[in-house]
Amino acid sequence: EVQLVESGGGLVQPGGSLRLSCAASEFTVSGNYISWVRHLPGKGLEWVSMIYRGDTYYADSVEDRFTISRDSSKNTVHLQMDSLRVEDTAIYYCAGTAENLDRFHWGQGTLVTVSS
Amino acid sequence: DIQMTQSPSSLSASIGDRVTITCRASQGISHFLAWYQLKPGKVPKLLIYSASTSQPGVPSRFSASRSGTDFTLTISSLQPEDVATYYCQQYSGAPWTFGQGTKVEVK
Repeated sequence: EVQLVESGGGLVQPGGSLRLSCAASEFTVSGNYISWVRHLPGKGLEWVSMIYRGDTYYADSVEDRFTISRDSSKNTVHLQMDSLRVEDTAIYYCAGTAENLDRFHWGQGTLVTVSS
Repeated sequence: DIQMTQSPSSLSASIGDRVTITCRASQGISHFLAWYQLKPGKVPKLLIYSASTSQPGVPSRFSASRSGTDFTLTISSLQPEDVATYYCQQYSGAPWTFGQGTKVEVK
């Protein structure tokens, strides 16, 4: 059974940093699409970032502040979040999409709260 | 970036009613569209992918279709457990954008 397990969320002050991790099992991060999606409180779903093979992609709202990376040896994807803002407060989900775009998997999410 | 315009933003219907939600893509995305159901405190649940393919285990009252750049999710007979917010997402090209969501309530 495919599992995606997020970790690293927590409370951080504005301007601070956090690193989220998504550990995958039964799903190879190096050959498939791994995205981060966030659910903003009282608002909708927002696609944040994605890594596929050697390519990385970002939403405009996080470009230059967030960095996605992959550790193939640990089958894990990381999201380094710097210069955090109050409006980054959300539940962050790791989502895996199979390379042929016919299988979709989500983690349980990790809460990030940016507040002073 | 591809914009997904979802409508309506909310709706209220009676149990047993047919409910329709629409998403329009700002450019061609072929069939690369998914529909999700989101309930408070829960992980988004995939209902449909590839525009009209149902995820295993999804009740048969949920169906979806495509006409060009217009996509429709239909609940044939609304049930109490269908109260949720529904989102479309295109995965034709990064960023994989979501629609704004449709909140479905029961009258």
